[in-house]
Amino acid sequence: GQSLEQPSEVTAVEGAIVQINCTYQTSGFYGLSWYQQHDGGAPTFLSYNALDGLEETGRFSSFLSRSDSYGYLLLQELQMKDSASYFCAVRGGNTGGFKTIFGAGTRLFVKA
Amino acid sequence: EPEVTQTPSHQVTQMGQEVILRCVPISNHLYFYWYRQILGQKVEFLVSFYNNEISEKSEIFDDQFSVERPDGSNFTLKIRSTKLEDSAMYFCASSEGTGVEAFFGQGTRLTVV
Repeated sequence: GQSLEQPSEVTAVEGAIVQINCTYQTSGFYGLSWYQQHDGGAPTFLSYNALDGLEETGRFSSFLSRSDSYGYLLLQELQMKDSASYFCAVRGGNTGGFKTIFGAGTRLFVKA
Repeated sequence: EPEVTQTPSHQVTQMGQEVILRCVPISNHLYFYWYRQILGQKVEFLVSFYNNEISEKSEIFDDQFSVERPDGSNFTLKIRSTKLEDSAMYFCASSEGTGVEAFFGQGTRLTVV
């Protein structure tokens, strides 16, 4: 089966840097994604790592270590609008990675 | 900008009734998904669909659920006999490939009474 663990809640101040960790267990690992979801909205894609290392997209970076079954999302220069839930999601399954399982989400509160 | 559209945005149905949730994926995408999210909880994978057949499905996706791509643009989720616990937000998503960004629709809030 597949399972993911991430912190339920993180609080940080505007302008700071925050890291959201994710550990996973899966059969047939294909990649780790990160999604942002504001209250009442749809998940929106932030990043995807299939290989080890760091991927950077503007203020957001994502890291993957396949040997440790671990990844993280790094948000820099936090803004109030970054207050949202962040989900890691592992792409796995036994038939070519068609199954993407989401973690329970980390609720990020950004304070002024 | 292309987007995934879902209809209706909100559906209320009586327990035991059949519902069909509709989705129009982005036109050049080949992979389609349904997810659900019970209020305040995580997004749960239901099913993926590629090349006119189910690629993967979760334990949630039992015989009460079915998916169909009736034409070149629509992708539907049918729940045959709704239960109270089916009340959730249902998201459709599509992607060009399996290792790339999945785009989500705004969801259909299903309320079973």
